[in-house]
Amino acid sequence: DAGVTQSPTHLIKTRGQQVTLRCSPKSGHDTVSWYQQALGQGPQFIFQYYEEEERQRGNFPDRFSGHQFPNYSSELNVNALLLGDSALYLCASSLGQGGNQPQHFGDGTRLSIL
Amino acid sequence: EDQVTQSPEALRLQEGESSSLNCSYTVSGLRGLFWYRQDPGKGPEFLFTLYSAGEEKEKERLKATLTKKESFLHITAPKPEDSATYLCAVQAYGQNFVFGPGTRLSVLP
Repeated sequence: DAGVTQSPTHLIKTRGQQVTLRCSPKSGHDTVSWYQQALGQGPQFIFQYYEEEERQRGNFPDRFSGHQFPNYSSELNVNALLLGDSALYLCASSLGQGGNQPQHFGDGTRLSIL
Repeated sequence: EDQVTQSPEALRLQEGESSSLNCSYTVSGLRGLFWYRQDPGKGPEFLFTLYSAGEEKEKERLKATLTKKESFLHITAPKPEDSATYLCAVQAYGQNFVFGPGTRLSVLP
């Protein structure tokens, strides 16, 4: 039973560039959430996708956008990268939107901005 | 606004020395409280879900409890492999997860 997979594992970009991160949810899950985790801090919620639509959004600017595909996989796009965007980006999947089921996380993409 | 705090920020224990981690929360309408373990360079690994005050869950050396304002993660006779960051998250009705900053646990042999 495959868990949540994310790619790439590491990425280095420069300020002003754009980046796309990818996530495949755990088998049987249909909801994908994205989080940003700075060093030494807990994950911060970016947004959640269900049925190919953004359902909830945290306090992140419009530079952060996403997409969910019919097979439930998802992408996170970040435009006009800033130094402060350097972080571990985590994808989590769950079954059903709005439920209280636990979210299962991938190992993340480490994004470094130079 | 939903808030989660965790204490202590870091904890060093000798192998076999039991202790507890605290998660205090403020949320309008708790739907669930979740404990995760995170190893360096890895994503959070799900441990427990607690839904209502008075509920308890156990898994090996770990036991999680919940009151109306806080949750405790009790670690009995810890081993070095229990060293990790332990994260607490709450979910309110209609909202997504709000995580605390975590407690870094080190268990020395």
